[in-house]
Amino acid sequence: DGGITQSPKYLFRKEGQNVTLSCEQNLNHDAMYWYRQDPGQGLRLIYYSQIVNDFQKGDIAEGYSVSREKKESFPLTVTSAQKNPTAFYLCASQRAASGRARADTQYFGPGTRLTVL
Amino acid sequence: GQQLNQSPQSMFIQEGEDVSMNCTSSSIFNTWLWYKQDPGEGPVLLIALYKAGELTSNGRLTAQFGITRKDSFLNISASIPSDVGIYFCAGRLNYGGATNKLIFGTGTLLAVQP
Repeated sequence: DGGITQSPKYLFRKEGQNVTLSCEQNLNHDAMYWYRQDPGQGLRLIYYSQIVNDFQKGDIAEGYSVSREKKESFPLTVTSAQKNPTAFYLCASQRAASGRARADTQYFGPGTRLTVL
Repeated sequence: GQQLNQSPQSMFIQEGEDVSMNCTSSSIFNTWLWYKQDPGEGPVLLIALYKAGELTSNGRLTAQFGITRKDSFLNISASIPSDVGIYFCAGRLNYGGATNKLIFGTGTLLAVQP
């Protein structure tokens, strides 16, 4: 089955530790995105990548890092510099970065809930 | 970061009632998307709109791309308990490059009482 997978579903971390969230897609999509969702709020863009080996900061990139070494993978690292990391993290992908075609909408993974203890 | 104005924030309705929610923006969008999110899950795309004035249906759901390109609405007819969830609108400012990002609304929480 084609789709976007995120792991783990739930993640607990001690304060001061870095943690990496996984996002994999087998849809052959060019673009991938990471969002953060807090209770009662919309999605805020952390980082995005339109092509392998390239990525751009979103609106709230501080305290996060990413890599895009393979087309199908876009891991997000939450570093100890992120002051308030407890949140629901969503990964998304899109067929083409341009978004021109009707089919080029973003599809989301199931999310990872990160809790910092 | 910019967010869309989405209203209402929440709705509590009886099964069978119709529902309407909308999003407005100060910016002109080329694309409007509507997603539904179940608790603890990722958003699922419901309807995509690509042209001003476009009216598109998906079963009991109907969405429209406003003529001004600054707003969109979503209607759900004859609601059922499984319609419960958070509905998000999202708009895309432009095609191509860094302007390809989606801007999301703050969500509408829908509760349906059987």
